[in-house]
Amino acid sequence: DARVTQTPRHKVTEMGQEVTMRCQPILGHNTVFWYRQTMMQGLELLAYFRNRAPLDDSGMPKDRFSAEMPDATLATLKIQPSEPRDSAVYFCASGYREDTQYFGPGTRLTVL
Amino acid sequence: GIQVEQSPPDLILQEGANSTLRCNFSDSVNNLQWFHQNPWGQLINLFYIPSGTKQNGRLSATTVATERYSLLYISSSQTTDSGVYFCAVVSGTSYGKLTFGQGTILTVHP
Repeated sequence: DARVTQTPRHKVTEMGQEVTMRCQPILGHNTVFWYRQTMMQGLELLAYFRNRAPLDDSGMPKDRFSAEMPDATLATLKIQPSEPRDSAVYFCASGYREDTQYFGPGTRLTVL
Repeated sequence: GIQVEQSPPDLILQEGANSTLRCNFSDSVNNLQWFHQNPWGQLINLFYIPSGTKQNGRLSATTVATERYSLLYISSSQTTDSGVYFCAVVSGTSYGKLTFGQGTILTVHP
C-alpha cells in the first residue's frame, strides 16, 4: 500500500529555531507539493516540484522558507528562523503529472 | 485565480440519513478531487472526478464541468463519516496546483 510519509509528525519549537520537515513521495510520482493548513487560511499551496525541479514557490515567505528535493525520494521544507505565525499543519502530497494527488499525514508544527 | 465555494458550511445528520455536498468553481478545471479530513487530520482521497460520475460504496460524486459544479452524495451516513469534506480543483493554467474550498463540516450523530 503506497503512501506518502512525513517526518516528524509533531514538532514543538521556540521562536527563532530552525525547523526541517521531510517527505517521502510515493515511488514513481514525479510531482511533489507542500501545503499548509491553518484555521484562518485553510489549505494553501506553498511550493511544488516536478521531476525534482521547483515549478512554483510563490506561496512561501522567501526570506524564511526554503524547499528542496535532493533526490527523487526526499523532499524537505525548512523554516529559518521560525515564528509563532508559522504554527500550522504542513502537508506533503505527491502525484503523477495532473492526476490524483495523495497526501501524507502532515507535520503539526507549534512555534512558541 | 480560480475560486472554489462549498456549501453548506456545516451539516448535522442523524445516522442513516443521506446528504449532498456541493462545490462550485469559477473556471474550467483539469482536475477535481474530493477529500475527507478525519478527526485525526488525515486527508483521505475520495474521488478524482474532473467530469462524469463515480461511485464508491455509500459515496458517489458527479461533476458537471460545463456548469462548473460538483456534487458529493453520502448515503446511509455513519458516525465515521464525520469530519470535513474538501473539494479541490486544478485550473487550466495552474500546472497541478490544487485550490481548495473552505470545506463542509459534517457531524453524524448516533
